[in-house]
Amino acid sequence: EAGVTQFPSHSVIEKGQTVTLRCDPISGHDNLYWYRRVMGKEIKFLLHFVKESKQDESGMPNNRFLAERTGGTYSTLKVQPAELEDSGVYFCASSQSRGQGYYEQYFGPGTRLTVT
Amino acid sequence: KQEVTQIPAALSVPEGENLVLNCSFTDSAIYNLQWFRQDPGKGLTSLLLIQSSQREQTSGRLNASLDKSSGRSTLYIAASQPGDSATYLCAVRVKNYGQNFVFGPGTRLSVLP
Repeated sequence: EAGVTQFPSHSVIEKGQTVTLRCDPISGHDNLYWYRRVMGKEIKFLLHFVKESKQDESGMPNNRFLAERTGGTYSTLKVQPAELEDSGVYFCASSQSRGQGYYEQYFGPGTRLTVT
Repeated sequence: KQEVTQIPAALSVPEGENLVLNCSFTDSAIYNLQWFRQDPGKGLTSLLLIQSSQREQTSGRLNASLDKSSGRSTLYIAASQPGDSATYLCAVRVKNYGQNFVFGPGTRLSVLP
């Protein structure tokens, strides 16, 4: 069974440009999460999808970040326009959905975003 | 607000030693706690998941315990090997803020041959 995949693995863009990160969860996993780690900090939650619906987006830093999950399969996270402080590693995770929070989250390898 | 801390921040041990990594959290209202390892430049690999109703979980040379009332978890690694060198993260699945994880800062482990 394929794990969570993310694309690209690394992206370098200039301040003010737009970048779109993609996450493909494990097949059949209704829950999809985005997290990020900025330099020297802990991994922080961004948002949570259940199928195509945003269950919790309390961690999104500002309106320059837009996440979508059309059709409840893969998800994209767009940053527009990118700022220097957006640099970091963006992780995606997925889990099964039955009951409240009992299931293990499986993480992808992350996308390293560098904004210059 | 849930806060997770990990002690020590870094640890260096000779091969073969048994070691303990500590994780503390401030709010006991959790669904579960998960330990991960992260190798440089890589993603997170899940090691052990402990549900809030459980006291411990074991996998091979790893044993994780959970004391929810005191807000603590430990990860015990037996007979450490150089391949265990990585950053170890603990994360709690909180009840009061949705179903997301709150991560600790990690413990960077080096096992010397």
